Amino acid sequence: DTGVSQDPRHKITKRGQNVTFRCDPISEHNRLYWYRQTLGQGPEFLTYFQNEAQLEKSRLLSDRFSAERPKGSFSTLEIQRTEQGDSAMYLCASSPRTGSYTEAFFGQGTRLTVV
Amino acid sequence: GDSVTQMEGPVTLSEEAFLTINCTYTATGYPSLFWYVQYPGEGLQLLLKATKADDKGSNKGFEATYRKETTSFHLEKGSVQVSDSAVYFCALSDGDSGTYKYIFGTGTRLKVLA
Repeated sequence: DTGVSQDPRHKITKRGQNVTFRCDPISEHNRLYWYRQTLGQGPEFLTYFQNEAQLEKSRLLSDRFSAERPKGSFSTLEIQRTEQGDSAMYLCASSPRTGSYTEAFFGQGTRLTVV
Repeated sequence: GDSVTQMEGPVTLSEEAFLTINCTYTATGYPSLFWYVQYPGEGLQLLLKATKADDKGSNKGFEATYRKETTSFHLEKGSVQVSDSAVYFCALSDGDSGTYKYIFGTGTRLKVLA
């Protein structure tokens, strides 16, 4: 098992364009989380899935953001009509269904720069 | 709501010095507590965790004890190395809501000089 994988690692896009990121969790992990980390700050929760169901979305997740996890495997996070304020590191994490899901494993992140 | 407060950095130490990074939390339930480390351009790596009061998490010479009475989870290491230079994040995960999402502090940058 190679851990949580995110693609791409870096993305530069022009303001107004749409972007999509992908996250492949560790196999058999039921839960998948998306976080956003801006420069000099800690990661902030965006949304999470249990299997294919999206169970919670943060108020940070505006209408321009949408996330999916078809078939409960990989997940995608799409940002439409990107703005400069969307520039951040987007982190994905997954948790196994053991005990109380207390430990999350993070990917290396996708760094988005909107110019 | 729940929150985590960390000491501000950067923290600059000489090699073999003693490290303490303070972390306190506010939570309505009984959270699990974590320390994660982030190297430049990378994601987060779990350093250690504690799931209940008085638990001590330890890994690679780092330790932290879950203190419910002071709502703290301070990170310590007896002798730091240059390779420990990174950003350290304290976090909590509260399962009461069923989400188990993490709430992070703002991070503390550690720089260790040879």
